[in-house]
Amino acid sequence: KAGVTQTPRYLIKTRGQQVTLSCSPISGHRSVSWYQQTPGQGLQFLFEYFSETQRNKGNFPGRFSGRQFSNSRSEMNVSTLELGDSALYLCASSLGQPNSPLHFGNGTRLTVT
Amino acid sequence: SQELEQSPQSLIVQEGKNLTINCTSSKTLYGLYWYKQKYGEGLIFLMMLQKGGEEKSHEKITAKLDEKKQQSSLHITASQPSHAGIYLCGADNLGDDKIIFGKGTRLHILP
Repeated sequence: KAGVTQTPRYLIKTRGQQVTLSCSPISGHRSVSWYQQTPGQGLQFLFEYFSETQRNKGNFPGRFSGRQFSNSRSEMNVSTLELGDSALYLCASSLGQPNSPLHFGNGTRLTVT
Repeated sequence: SQELEQSPQSLIVQEGKNLTINCTSSKTLYGLYWYKQKYGEGLIFLMMLQKGGEEKSHEKITAKLDEKKQQSSLHITASQPSHAGIYLCGADNLGDDKIIFGKGTRLHILP
């Protein structure tokens, strides 16, 4: 079974630009969660999608948005990039039921200059 | 909201030695997950604990959840260089269907 695939692996953007990250979950998984990981804050929850609906949202500004398609693939968008958005963005998929472990992709390393 | 505190933050251990990493919750744990991360990569699921007093093992790694379900420990026996990485505990944040994580314990193994 193929794992969670995130593209691209690396991105370099300039302040003010926008970026879209992509995530393909494990086949059969209907839930996709997004996390931001930085050395100072650790893993911070962004949002979770289940069957194309945002089911949960973390404490991030509206510049961070996402969506999920009918095939469970998900995209995350960050608009008006700031230097502080530089981070490893991790996507994880699961069955979306209680006590279902998350399975993570290898992440997208975003650098904002 | 629930918070997870991991200790120690960093650990340097001689190869072959045993070690323990702890994860303490501010609230009762209803699902506790342990993950391992290599630098700059994704998290690898190790095991999940749900019941008070539960203990699970995978190869040389054993995780326990205490009876009160507010603390979990991860124990590695006879550490090897392949055990090096960042260990993170995660928990179901009761009531809102998301998993939150501790800040991780960075483990270095000296040959």
